[in-house]
Amino acid sequence: QTVVTQEPSFSVSPGGTVTLTCGLSSGSVSTTHYPSWYQQTPGQAPRTLIYGIDSRSSGVPDRFSGSILGNKAALTITGAQADDESDYYCVLYMGSGIYVFGPGTKVTVL
Amino acid sequence: QVQLQESGPGLVEPSGTLSLTCAVSGGSISSSNWWSWVRQPPGKGLEYIGEIYHSGRANYNPSLKNRVTMSVDKSRNQFSLKVNSVTAADTAVYYCARIYCTTTGCYYYLDDWGQGTLVIVSS
Repeated sequence: QTVVTQEPSFSVSPGGTVTLTCGLSSGSVSTTHYPSWYQQTPGQAPRTLIYGIDSRSSGVPDRFSGSILGNKAALTITGAQADDESDYYCVLYMGSGIYVFGPGTKVTVL
Repeated sequence: QVQLQESGPGLVEPSGTLSLTCAVSGGSISSSNWWSWVRQPPGKGLEYIGEIYHSGRANYNPSLKNRVTMSVDKSRNQFSLKVNSVTAADTAVYYCARIYCTTTGCYYYLDDWGQGTLVIVSS
């Protein structure tokens, strides 16, 4: 069974930069996984940030960017703000209509 | 952008069937998009349940496949989820979401989400 991996938590200073990654327990993340990223604050529905590796969803600030770094997908927050403190989930498309969520990364801004 | 709204019983008895509906507004369920369900147990991460097309074709998470059924009601512009033989482990906030596709293909991500509805499995 394919497992998607993410760092459990990250801490970043206001104005700082943090890069979250999304990997596979076996193999590399590639364009065919169409990695996407979602932000979720407590009690709220997820908000779509990035799709197709590096395309920003409508209304998402340009301090959020997506990429492939090595064998993983990555989400970088440049110039972190207090309201970026959230849980971040990646999703990989496995084919045949199957999507797998990562376990999420909790980002603290302090 | 479409608006999605989940509805259904907030309490289901163990071994019963969980039934939810997602109403779609601002767009047609018969468009090129796929329509999906995602759930989140309290304090835990998100889990993909499955997706359905307006034709009725569906794809399910293999871990839930034996207990899940999705359907589409084009006349009401809505789609539904049923999970049978529920246990406490099925207690979660259930979200519906659109998987964005056009006539030329899909983008393979969930772009519009409902606000979610909490379903508790308990006697």
